[in-house]
Amino acid sequence: DAGVIQSPRHEVTEMGQEVTLRCKPISGHDYLFWYRQTMMRGLELLIYFNNNVPIDDSGMPEDRFSAKMPNASFSTLKIQPSEPRDSAVYFCASSLAGGQKYGYTFGSGTRLTVV
Amino acid sequence: QQPVQSPQAVILREGEDAVINCSSSKALYSVHWYRQKHGEAPVFLMILLKGGEQKGHEKISASFNEKKQQSSLYLTASQLSYSGTYFCGTDGSGNTGKLIFGQGTTLQVKP
Repeated sequence: DAGVIQSPRHEVTEMGQEVTLRCKPISGHDYLFWYRQTMMRGLELLIYFNNNVPIDDSGMPEDRFSAKMPNASFSTLKIQPSEPRDSAVYFCASSLAGGQKYGYTFGSGTRLTVV
Repeated sequence: QQPVQSPQAVILREGEDAVINCSSSKALYSVHWYRQKHGEAPVFLMILLKGGEQKGHEKISASFNEKKQQSSLYLTASQLSYSGTYFCGTDGSGNTGKLIFGQGTTLQVKP
């Protein structure tokens, strides 16, 4: 398996623009997580899905953030409009049965810079 | 609630041992440990479940004290490849699969 695939790897955008981050989880995994990592706040859970259904979005910082999982093999995280404080590395991770045996597998991340 | 890790950073010489601690104010169902190298994604090391203990690697092991709501990661005879940031992730008593990560412990192993 190719692992969790995220795109793009790097994104530089101007404040106010819409940004869409993409994730393809490992085939067969039923949980998908979006995390954000910064030096100040560490790894923050934004939202997670189980069988394509959003379970907990309490970590989504504002209405500017939205996430979808239209099918088992694809998820997006959208920021509209983007702000400089959104600059961070965004990780997608997937797991089987909540990760209670094999843990999470993280993608390589998307480094977002908003100028 | 975010678990607390200690120490924040540690520097070792090759061959030395290290212990990283993770504590939570909430009852725990499981504790995960991950290692992240600079510029890379976190990589799963092992998981400890309530009522049990799992050793993931030969020289890296962990313990889980449910009553104290604590876990410790033990790195013995450290190697240069052990350098990185170690995170514990805790899943509250609900077994939701939702992990909250500690702030990380940076480990540097020198020759």
